[in-house]
Amino acid sequence: NAGVTQTPKFRVLKTGQSMTLLCAQDMNHEYMYWYRQDPGMGLRLIHYSVGEGTTAKGEVPDGYNVSRLKKQNFLLGLESAAPSQTSVYFCASSSSGTSLPGELFFGEGSRLTVL
Amino acid sequence: RKEVEQDPGPFNVPEGATVAFNCTYSNSASQSFFWYRQDCRKEPKLLMSVYSSGNEDGRFTAQLNRASQYISLLIRDSKLSDSATYLCVVRADSWGKLQFGAGTQVVVTP
Repeated sequence: NAGVTQTPKFRVLKTGQSMTLLCAQDMNHEYMYWYRQDPGMGLRLIHYSVGEGTTAKGEVPDGYNVSRLKKQNFLLGLESAAPSQTSVYFCASSSSGTSLPGELFFGEGSRLTVL
Repeated sequence: RKEVEQDPGPFNVPEGATVAFNCTYSNSASQSFFWYRQDCRKEPKLLMSVYSSGNEDGRFTAQLNRASQYISLLIRDSKLSDSATYLCVVRADSWGKLQFGAGTQVVVTP
């Protein structure tokens, strides 16, 4: 039972480079999220999706784009990486929003360093 | 002002002792409250929900104080395996968007 899988786990980029983080879940969850976690700060929501083909901005969306072409996958793209995007990125999924019990299922995280 | 605030710690706790810590939230309309646990360099995992009347899950007790806008977590008979960062999480709106605190670190020592 894989749950939520993120790839890659680690990546080093140079300023201006682009990359895509892939998140895959096998729990048939409708909702998927991308968060970033920085020292001394709580997880901050970048973008989220409430279903296949839909995406919406979260708290800190600038510099990121997302796509949800398939229900099980949620991609996070950085078009032109900046050092401020050095962070740990977590993907999460949940079964629903309105009756959410509060349980998000997280991937193991992707550590991104932008030089 | 952060919407969810926690004492970062660390709380150094001898094995077998009790530790408690709070989390304050700024939005009085907040509807649901949770504690997540995050081990070092790992992903967060749900520890327990926090109900209005307070609730226990084994050695863990969670309380909600709506008047003063804080929630608390108490850990009894601390185990070495309880060493982790505990994230306070608040749901403020109906669709389920969650606000995370930065976490309280607990270190249980032998």
